[in-house]
Amino acid sequence: QSALTQPASVSGSPGQSITISCTGTSSDVGGYNYVSWYQQHPGKAPKLMIYEVSDRPSGVPDRFSASRSGNTASLTISRLQAEDEGDYYCSSYTSTHVIFGGGTKLTVL
Amino acid sequence: QITLKESGPTLVKPTQTLTLTCAFSGFSLSTRGERVGWIRQPPGKAPEWLALIYWDDDKRYSPSLKSRLTISKDTSKNQVLFIMTNMDPVDTATYYCGHGYDSFGSSFDYWGPGTLVTVSS
Repeated sequence: QSALTQPASVSGSPGQSITISCTGTSSDVGGYNYVSWYQQHPGKAPKLMIYEVSDRPSGVPDRFSASRSGNTASLTISRLQAEDEGDYYCSSYTSTHVIFGGGTKLTVL
Repeated sequence: QITLKESGPTLVKPTQTLTLTCAFSGFSLSTRGERVGWIRQPPGKAPEWLALIYWDDDKRYSPSLKSRLTISKDTSKNQVLFIMTNMDPVDTATYYCGHGYDSFGSSFDYWGPGTLVTVSS
């Protein structure tokens, strides 16, 4: 399975909203309700932000939301804050293992 | 409070075998639904899922690396062992272990800080 496709970078100003896409196939993103999103700051481990397509773990702000349409999942961050800057990775179950996207660097202007 | 921490060599020579240990607390890997996995991330690149072991000792491996990987658990010590054979410089990466649970699907809700493994002669 190839990596999931994400835009290399996105940017937005504080207070704005941005959306990051994650495109796969019917064998991964479109086939299972097991799409996750992770946030990673430099030198730190990834942090789970979304699991099972659109669920937020306890402690993750409701500014973070996610959805899926067909083989493409999307992460939306509303009311952008400076602390949201970092790398974002999607991942999906594939029936035998998990694959990650190539990552999107979010810059808060 | 769930915590995990990876340990092992920071430098490995090509063709050698890498053995990493994930020591965890805050849960038991003998409890139904629990799982621990290994993920690596080469410098500047995306994470790559490697292996997963379930509470019932079921195991899953990355298809592309399966022949080189072994994952096992020692429930009494709250540890998960990860072995990768025939190391190559392209295997240089930060290796993480992560906790998963049934209610989180295929995701890892807690991660260790990671350990950087460099493969070089």
